[in-house]
Amino acid sequence: GAVVSQHPSWVICKSGTSVKIECRSLDFQATTMFWYRQFPKQSLMLMATSNEGSKATYEQGVEKDKFLINHASLTLSTLTVTSAHPEDSSFYICSATRSEAEKLFFGSGTQLSVL
Amino acid sequence: KQEVTQIPAALSVPEGENLVLNCSFTDSAIYNLQWFRQDPGKGLTSLLLIQSSQREQTSGRLNASLDKSSGRSTLYIAASQPGDSATYLCAVRGNQFYFGTGTSLTVIP
Repeated sequence: GAVVSQHPSWVICKSGTSVKIECRSLDFQATTMFWYRQFPKQSLMLMATSNEGSKATYEQGVEKDKFLINHASLTLSTLTVTSAHPEDSSFYICSATRSEAEKLFFGSGTQLSVL
Repeated sequence: KQEVTQIPAALSVPEGENLVLNCSFTDSAIYNLQWFRQDPGKGLTSLLLIQSSQREQTSGRLNASLDKSSGRSTLYIAASQPGDSATYLCAVRGNQFYFGTGTSLTVIP
């Protein structure tokens, strides 16, 4: 099956710093990539939808300037958490799909801890 | 807005039992429905994908059904094993993906 690679798996950073998370589709071209946030024992919360070469579409309540998403190619999307604060600590997961009719494939997630 | 609900929220069964997980959704205008499992601290692993025109899909001990008109899907797990312990999530694809809240399954050896 298709593979989505997400790095890093975990990151600890100081408050005020920026953190970049990468999501790569290794063996297919992802027309659309999604970024989610997950709090402990809760389901996934969609943050934004990213299409290659265009601006990401953010869900209501998600700060665009806080969570910068770049989808520069059909195989790479990045999420940058700018000026991170402790309340940004969470599990972030990306996913990718080739088309609307196909499966959604997930990265392994990134646990972000902001001190 | 699409709402996806999963019942029960948690389930504990002895090894070897057959079990059913439920997923319901409010808007039947979907492209497909997908079942995932998530292990603690990990990403999601796709289990089964059912297109809107299909009624069921099978993979090994797993069988997923879809009744689009009534907004329901079930995931049947036969002969459960301790390794099946995980959180199971369903997701429906409309203009975006909508996820259920998950069912936490524990299979007791």
